[in-house]
Amino acid sequence: DAMVIQNPRYQVTQFGKPVTLSCSQTLNHNVMYWYQQKSSQAPKLLFHYYDKDFNNEADTPDNFQSRRPNTSFCFLDIRSPGLGDAAMYLCATSRGDREADTQYFGPGTRLTVL
Amino acid sequence: RKEVEQDPGPFNVPEGATVAFNCTYSNSASQSFFWYRQDCRKEPKLLMSVYSSGNEDGRFTAQLNRASQYISLLIRDSKLSDSATYLCVVGRNTDKLIFGTGTRLQVFP
Repeated sequence: DAMVIQNPRYQVTQFGKPVTLSCSQTLNHNVMYWYQQKSSQAPKLLFHYYDKDFNNEADTPDNFQSRRPNTSFCFLDIRSPGLGDAAMYLCATSRGDREADTQYFGPGTRLTVL
Repeated sequence: RKEVEQDPGPFNVPEGATVAFNCTYSNSASQSFFWYRQDCRKEPKLLMSVYSSGNEDGRFTAQLNRASQYISLLIRDSKLSDSATYLCVVGRNTDKLIFGTGTRLQVFP
C-alpha cells in the first residue's frame, strides 16, 4: 500500500545534463514538499505546493524547479546538475488542513552526478 | 544558532538499556513537535507526535517542556532494531517543519 511513491529510486546523470525526479501520492493530500538531504545533514526544504500554490524557499537555487500538474503528482527538475547536487531527494506530503501537520515521506531518489 | 538542535551522538548502548535524547528549539512560537526515525539511506518515518502532556507508545516516551523549549525521547528496553537516527522536528504556524540533524543510536548485542 505505497502512499508516497518516488521514481526512480536511483538516478545517475552527467554534470550539466537535466534530470527530472517524480513523486506521486495516493493520500489525496493538499501539500507536497521536496527536500534535499545530504549525508549526516537534516532534510533541507527546497519548495512546496499547497494545492497549486507554489512556495519557494529563499535559498533554493534557480537550478531547481518544480511542477505539480495535478493533486497526485509533483516533479523536481534539476536543469543543470552540478557535483554538489548529488544527494537524496525526498518527497513528502501532508493533509494541509492544519498548520505544521505531520508529513509523510516517500522512499527518496538518490541522485549521483558524474 | 540552528532552530532545532540535537546531540548528533552516536549513542552506543547495549540491548535492554534505557536511552534518552534531548532536543532544543529556539522559536517560542513553535506549536507542533515530532520525533521521526530515519534508517541509513532510507526516508524519515514518523515515530510519534509530542504533546504537552507527554505521550507514550510502548517502549517510547516523549515529553515536551515549553518553558525550557526542549523535547525529549526516552527509549526503554532497547532492541537491536532501534538502531537508527532520530530526528527532532518542530513546526510553527506554517505548512513547514524544521528538522534537526538527528541523533544516531547504535544498539549492540
